[in-house]
Amino acid sequence: RKEVEQDPGPFNVPEGATVAFNCTYSNSASQSFFWYRQDCRKEPKLLMSVYSSGNEDGRFTAQLNRASQYISLLIRDSKLSDSATYLCVVNPMDSSYKLIFGSGTRLLVRP
Amino acid sequence: NAGVTQTPKFQVLKTGQSMTLQCAQDMNHEYMSWYRQDPGMGLRLIHYSVGAGITDQGEVPNGYNVSRSTTEDFPLRLLSAAPSQTSVYFCASSYGLVKTTPSSTDTQYFGPGTRLTVL
Repeated sequence: RKEVEQDPGPFNVPEGATVAFNCTYSNSASQSFFWYRQDCRKEPKLLMSVYSSGNEDGRFTAQLNRASQYISLLIRDSKLSDSATYLCVVNPMDSSYKLIFGSGTRLLVRP
Repeated sequence: NAGVTQTPKFQVLKTGQSMTLQCAQDMNHEYMSWYRQDPGMGLRLIHYSVGAGITDQGEVPNGYNVSRSTTEDFPLRLLSAAPSQTSVYFCASSYGLVKTTPSSTDTQYFGPGTRLTVL
């Protein structure tokens, strides 16, 4: 089983739609969670950190479910510019510096 | 600030050749790392450094060497290139350790990547 698993997609949605991605992680001791965004042939960039209580940044909401060991990303009112690959990232805490990246979920927002 | 820079952007090697991928950051970050990204797989950690003079192995270190003589630079050396090393290589840096509570110091800043093909 992979340490961090994501549905590769693609999720193909119209502009204005709401879309949600889930990501599961295998190490129950994991403490830090992040969503990164990667545009085609570009480097990953931090989208948002995921706090235990959940957090929101504009149209983006991240949630953590420790019992089921998954994190989610909700995007409301999708824009064409949201088309990208979304990477789930977990720090398993066996090393304070180590990050485990999921293989990403691809989102396509169509006009 | 230029952030994290990588050179070259593209490189083609023949099997058995050696080369060095350059990485530099101007943000005075202590922590730097090298990842490779292959289709269908997440970024995998090759080597990392927690400060000048200190390096350690990541998940896939075989065939690669690193050194950290300065805070700014973290080159990755391919000793004898193999087709299995065809990949996109990203260098990243961050201010601090990943903590139990996310903070701005956790953010990993990535370079633009080097696309390497080994024939």
